[in-house]
Amino acid sequence: DAGVIQSPRHEVTEMGQEVTLRCKPISGHNSLFWYRQTMMRGLELLIYFNNNVPIDDSGMPEDRFSAKMPNASFSTLKIQPSEPRDSAVYFCASSSTTEQGRGYTFGSGTRLTVV
Amino acid sequence: AQKVTQAQTEISVVEKEDVTLDCVYETRDTTYYLFWYKQPPSGELVFLIRRNSFDEQNEISGRYSWNFQKSTSSFNFTITASQVVDSAVYFCALSPFRSGTYKYIFGTGTRLKVLA
Repeated sequence: DAGVIQSPRHEVTEMGQEVTLRCKPISGHNSLFWYRQTMMRGLELLIYFNNNVPIDDSGMPEDRFSAKMPNASFSTLKIQPSEPRDSAVYFCASSSTTEQGRGYTFGSGTRLTVV
Repeated sequence: AQKVTQAQTEISVVEKEDVTLDCVYETRDTTYYLFWYKQPPSGELVFLIRRNSFDEQNEISGRYSWNFQKSTSSFNFTITASQVVDSAVYFCALSPFRSGTYKYIFGTGTRLKVLA
């Protein structure tokens, strides 16, 4: 298995632009998570999906952030409009609810820089 | 409230020294999982181990060992005979074992530097 695949690996954008981050979970995993990592706040859970349905989006910072999971093999995290304080590494992770104890598998992350 | 505390922000050791990374957690759940993840300089997050709250048996995997003590709410991680390749940020995480809720609460991480 190729693991959790995130794209792009790096994104540099100007303030005010729309940014879309993409994630392909491991086949067969039915839970997907979006995390944000910054020096100040560490690893924060933004949102997670079970069977493509958003379960908890309480970590989404504000309305500028939105996430979708149209099918079991694809999810997007969109920021519109982007701001410099959104600069961070965004990780996608997937797991199987029937194997929760095995832990998440994380993607390699997308390093976002908003200038 | 659920919380994971990794009080050691950064630790430096010389190669071949043993080092212990501390993790203290808070939860009201009686059933939960604990995890350790490694984040090397390349940035990815690598799963190391999970332990469920009913299993207090310590575990050893090569140079790595984990000491879970429910009485002190701690899940410490020891690297024996450290190597330069162990240099990374290590995260401890807590996950309640509830149907439909699989959130992990991560600690702030401990940066380990192993010097040659």
